Amino acid sequence: EAQVTQNPRYLITVTGKKLTVTCSQNMNHEYMSWYRQDPGLGLRQIYYSMNVEVTDKGDVPEGYKVSRKEKRNFPLILESPSPNQTSLYFCASSSYAHQGKPQPQHFGDGTRLSIL
Amino acid sequence: TQLLEQSPQFLSIQEGENLTVYCNSSSVFSSLQWYRQEPGEGPVLLVTVVTGGEVKKLKRLTFQFGDARKDSSLHITAAQPGDTGLYLCAGQGALEKTSYDKVIFGPGTSLSVIP
Repeated sequence: EAQVTQNPRYLITVTGKKLTVTCSQNMNHEYMSWYRQDPGLGLRQIYYSMNVEVTDKGDVPEGYKVSRKEKRNFPLILESPSPNQTSLYFCASSSYAHQGKPQPQHFGDGTRLSIL
Repeated sequence: TQLLEQSPQFLSIQEGENLTVYCNSSSVFSSLQWYRQEPGEGPVLLVTVVTGGEVKKLKRLTFQFGDARKDSSLHITAAQPGDTGLYLCAGQGALEKTSYDKVIFGPGTSLSVIP
């Protein structure tokens, strides 16, 4: 079954304790992306990657890191989490069309992070 | 910075009614997508529109892309409780190369259809 898998689904942690949210897709997609979703603000893109070893900042990258060492995995790293990073996070992936335009994205089920 | 706005933010209607939700921007997009999101799940794609003036139908849902590719609408005919959810529009930029691969989401319209 084609899917995007995020782990963990829920996490409560404390300020300053490094954490990683994993994301894996089994569709051989080139494009992967991380979003955070907050009430009234919708989905905001944190980072995206167009292929292995190629990553770019989205609209809200501060406080986050990503890596793309393998095509299927795109972990999101919070080196020193703060309470304003409490949010619902989504990973997504898509393939590239013939003309290089990203295709509609497949989303994971989300990770709810609470930073105390 | 591109910005997508959606209206209304919240909508509560009776089963059988018709409704329209809007997605507007001052920027031109190469394509625009509509997603629906249910609680506890990620967004699921409904449709992609790429041509100005394009109309697509998905059963009782009708999607339209504005002629100038800056706005879109979603019309639902005879709404059912199963249509309840958060409807999100998302655009991919066309004018600026730096934003070409970025995806911008609107804040969403939360629809509740009462039986």
